[in-house]
Amino acid sequence: GAVVSQHPSWVICKSGTSVKIECRSLDFQATTMFWYRQFPKQSLMLMATSNEGSKATYEQGVEKDKFLINHASLTLSTLTVTSAHPEDSSFYICSATGMNYGYTFGSGTRLTVV
Amino acid sequence: GESVGLHLPTLSVQEGDNSIINCAYSNSASDYFIWYKQESGKGPQFIIDIRSNMDKRQGQRVTVLLNKTVKHLSLQIAATQPGDSAVYFCAENKYGGSQGNLIFGKGTKLSVKP
Repeated sequence: GAVVSQHPSWVICKSGTSVKIECRSLDFQATTMFWYRQFPKQSLMLMATSNEGSKATYEQGVEKDKFLINHASLTLSTLTVTSAHPEDSSFYICSATGMNYGYTFGSGTRLTVV
Repeated sequence: GESVGLHLPTLSVQEGDNSIINCAYSNSASDYFIWYKQESGKGPQFIIDIRSNMDKRQGQRVTVLLNKTVKHLSLQIAATQPGDSAVYFCAENKYGGSQGNLIFGKGTKLSVKP
């Protein structure tokens, strides 16, 4: 079946630094990737949608200059949290879809900003 | 029984009993629905899906029921096992699952007592 690999699974960074999270589709071409954020005991909230080779579309209230999304190839999308602050601490999850491949989720990245 | 916590409703069941998890979806235009299981610290795992032209679909030990009239979805798990303990989310899509993002429901935490 379809596999999406997300890396790292957890990261701790200092306030003010940037962190990059990678999401790779291992066995299919991901024409669209989605990035979600999940706070404890809450549901997944969509942050942005990215199509390969295009600029990401951000949901209302999500700062595009803070959460940089790059989807330069059909197998890789990255989310960079710039100038991270403690309130950015969360669980970030990517999802990918492709031709004949439904929504497949990565294993998530736990970001802690100290 | 079922209780509503600060953010996440919880359903406690005895091992071997059947579980029913409910979801009220938001968009009457949604025509594709998925149930996901999420274990602590992991990404969502696909359980079963259903399209709006059906009202019932069965998988291994799981059944999804769809009532479009009242915008209600349920997941039935037969002979619940300790390994079923997790948070369960319903998700909806209005493009038949062929494009666009998924919108997630609030989630229900299932706790299975041995």
